[in-house]
Amino acid sequence: SQKIEQNSEALNIQEGKTATLTCNYTNYSPAYLQWYRQDPGRGPVFLLLIRENEKEKRKERLKVTFDTTLKQSLFHITASQPADSATYLCAQYTGNQFYFGTGTSLTVIP
Amino acid sequence: GAGVSQSPRYKVAKRGQDVALRCDPISGHVSLFWYQQALGQGPEFLTYFQNEAQLDKSGLPSDRFFAERPEGSVSTLKIQRTQQEDSAVYLCASSIREINQPQHFGDGTRLSIL
Repeated sequence: SQKIEQNSEALNIQEGKTATLTCNYTNYSPAYLQWYRQDPGRGPVFLLLIRENEKEKRKERLKVTFDTTLKQSLFHITASQPADSATYLCAQYTGNQFYFGTGTSLTVIP
Repeated sequence: GAGVSQSPRYKVAKRGQDVALRCDPISGHVSLFWYQQALGQGPEFLTYFQNEAQLDKSGLPSDRFFAERPEGSVSTLKIQRTQQEDSAVYLCASSIREINQPQHFGDGTRLSIL
């Protein structure tokens, strides 16, 4: 079955810096990837979707890249703020199922 | 409220009891999903509905788990003869059309089996 791997260790960065989170997948190349944010005790919230024919997608301070050769997506938050602290999940639809990664916990230090 | 609503938010049950978890999706959303999320893990797919049709239930861990969406709106996830390993957060999500659209999640039901 499909496997999605994200940085297992928590990421701590200084306010104002760029946070970069990684999502790697095995086996099947998805037609697209989605990124979600999850706060403690809450459900995930959709952030961005990138299709396989798109190299890069931007939304305000967020940027996602998708490299089907490397089987990897990178998620960047520029000019990070303490309010960006959360767990970020990547997800893909393959074979009639949605697969989520384990998530990367991001803490932005003031 | 325009979001996905789940109830109850917390449920404590004794091992062996049956439980029912409810999901009210966003009105008009065609697709509905159930996920199980263990502590520190990402959501794991359980089942998927398109309107009232259950198109995929391959993620349900055992035949003790049963989901339905009889009128294509509200959905119920039922777990019979609960066991301790069923303790988790159960998330429901809906999307406006097909399965490959962005999903809108509820805040989940935290189930604890004693």
